[in-house]
Amino acid sequence: NAGVTQTPKFRVLKTGQSMTLLCAQDMNHEYMYWYRQDPGMGLRLIHYSVGEGTTAKGEVPDGYNVSRLKKQNFLLGLESAAPSQTSVYFCASSRGGGPSYEQYFGPGTRLTVT
Amino acid sequence: GNSVTQMEGPVTLSEEAFLTINCTYTATGYPSLFWYVQYPGEGLQLLLKATKADDKGSNKGFEATYRKETTSFHLEKGSVQVSDSAVYFCALTPSSNTGKLIFGQGTTLQVKP
Repeated sequence: NAGVTQTPKFRVLKTGQSMTLLCAQDMNHEYMYWYRQDPGMGLRLIHYSVGEGTTAKGEVPDGYNVSRLKKQNFLLGLESAAPSQTSVYFCASSRGGGPSYEQYFGPGTRLTVT
Repeated sequence: GNSVTQMEGPVTLSEEAFLTINCTYTATGYPSLFWYVQYPGEGLQLLLKATKADDKGSNKGFEATYRKETTSFHLEKGSVQVSDSAVYFCALTPSSNTGKLIFGQGTTLQVKP
């Protein structure tokens, strides 16, 4: 039981390049989330999904797109990377959306955009 | 809007010292409150939570009480260990079922032997 895994762990992009971050969970969770973590700002929600085939915007969605074609996977895409997107990205999943449902986090992806 | 404010870090303590990390929040309705911990190089883990006023969450010797009158959820531990060195995040989820978490900026704790 791997929990929540993220691919890749590290990536360096040049401005304007594109990439996709993959999040996978093996807990059959309905809800999945993408956060970014920046120094002094905590984690901020980018996009989230409440089930297969659904996505919704979070707090900081601009410059990112997501897809949830399979229940176990949640993809985060950067179409044209910018230096402001340099950050650590965390994926999380939970069985449901209420406060009694714990969010389980992946180990993170460190992205640098030069 | 909803927001969470934590005390500035880093916090440096000696082993067996008493720990308090302050957290205050602004929210409409009746949020649930959480403390998450991030050990070096890892993702976040839920440490404890409280879902209504006056609830006390506790885990691994850590405690926090949901105080609606002061809009606070301070984290405490009576005797810290070197292994408690980590970044601690206070968070809330609004009174809805979307699962959206709003985090404070995090407080780094370093415990020295």
